[in-house]
Amino acid sequence: KAGVTQTPRYLIKTRGQQVTLSCSPISGHRSVSWYQQTPGQGLQFLFEYFSETQRNKGNFPGRFSGRQFSNSRSEMNVSTLELGDSALYLCASSFQGAATNEKLFFGSGTQLSVL
Amino acid sequence: LAKTTQPISMDSYEGQEVNITCSHNNIATNDYITWYQQFPSQGPRFIIQGYKTKVTNEVASLFIPADRKSSTLSLPRVSLSDTAVYYCLVGDKSNAGNMLTFGGGTRLMVKP
Repeated sequence: KAGVTQTPRYLIKTRGQQVTLSCSPISGHRSVSWYQQTPGQGLQFLFEYFSETQRNKGNFPGRFSGRQFSNSRSEMNVSTLELGDSALYLCASSFQGAATNEKLFFGSGTQLSVL
Repeated sequence: LAKTTQPISMDSYEGQEVNITCSHNNIATNDYITWYQQFPSQGPRFIIQGYKTKVTNEVASLFIPADRKSSTLSLPRVSLSDTAVYYCLVGDKSNAGNMLTFGGGTRLMVKP
C-alpha cells in the first residue's frame, strides 16, 4: 500500500505570492488533516477534511485554506505569503478520523521557504 | 482539551533502556494515548497506542497507570537510529474527527 504522498517536497516563494500544496492520502482513507511545523511553534493543527467537508479548523488566519476532492486527495492554499509562513507543512491521513484511537499516517511534508 | 507535558530532551547511550514519561492530567474517559516518533524533515510515525495498563509491540512498550493521568514510553536497548523527537498525544473529543494536539515532544539523543 502506498503511503501518504505530498508534493512538492520543497518550495521557494516570495512574500505576497500564493502557494498550493497537494496531499494524496493512503488508499481508502477519507480523513486528511494538515499541520504546520516550525522550530518555534512546533506542530500546529491547521484543518481536517472528511468527505470533502472541512470538519475541524485550527487557529490560523483565513489566508490558510484547503479543500478535499471526491477521491480524498487534498490541497491546501496559502495566499499573500508572509515570511513567518516558512515551515514544514505536513499532511496526515486516517480511515475515518472520528475516533482518537485511529493512527495518523503522515507524509514527508512540503518544506516551504518564503523569501 | 487534554494537554500533555513531556521532558524537553533526554540523553542516552546505545544499548540502554529509555523511559519517557508524559503527563496528561485532564485526559477524557474515551481518550487513547498515542506516541509518535519524528526524524528531521520527515512526518511523525506512529509508534504505539494504549488505553490502560500495558501495551507492547515490536518497537516499544507503553505503561499506563490506573488513573491514566500519565504514561511512560519504554524503548528497549536503544540504538543511534532511535535519535528523534517523541510526541505523546491524547485526542481532543470536543469535536469529531482528527484534531490531535501535539505538545513540544521529547528530543532523545542516543550517543555511542
